[in-house]
Amino acid sequence: AQSVTQLDSHVSVSEGTPVLLRCNYSSSYSPSLFWYVQHPNKGLQLLLKYTSAATLVKGINGFEAEFKKSETSFHLTKPSAHMSDAAEYFCVVSQSDSGAGSYQLTFGKGTKLSVIP
Amino acid sequence: EPEVTQTPSHQVTQMGQEVILRCVPISNHLYFYWYRQILGQKVEFLVSFYNNEISEKSEIFDDQFSVERPDGSNFTLKIRSTKLEDSAMYFCASNYWAEAFFGQGTRLTVV
Repeated sequence: AQSVTQLDSHVSVSEGTPVLLRCNYSSSYSPSLFWYVQHPNKGLQLLLKYTSAATLVKGINGFEAEFKKSETSFHLTKPSAHMSDAAEYFCVVSQSDSGAGSYQLTFGKGTKLSVIP
Repeated sequence: EPEVTQTPSHQVTQMGQEVILRCVPISNHLYFYWYRQILGQKVEFLVSFYNNEISEKSEIFDDQFSVERPDGSNFTLKIRSTKLEDSAMYFCASNYWAEAFFGQGTRLTVV
């Protein structure tokens, strides 16, 4: 079974300061990991993904995440927050028990990012 | 760029009525999913569908729910007799490999 823990339900940062959203996962096999962003009343947008290639993954809008297998972590960072980054962020693990087939995604509970002007 | 589309974007229904939420997955994708997000809560897995049958479902997906791929392009979620607690945002997703692509969601309000 797989699970995802987002360690903070709410993070508040000042505009221009770094962002760190924390995510830990557990998975029986080598997982794929994703960060999605959801702006108010909008759908889910993929920020970035890790699928067993480079451990440091760059995404859209200046976000990055580093896969650390020893720490079972996939924390999301951005050097400088912008007002438009205020949203809900979901860490997601994807795994297929059968090796090929239906991939069940497991979502973290989400982290709400507030950006203070 | 191909995308998953969902209709309607917002549906209001009376308790006890049947609703059908519609999704058009990306054309070459093989796996389809429904997720739901009750306001203020996490996104929850409902069901996955492959090769015209349910491959996995959660405990939320009880006998009131059903899914269908009636014509090779649409993928529908039917709620037979809606309850107040079915009010949520429902997301459809499809994938070919590990990454799933999500629709914009249908906000269902049961009154």
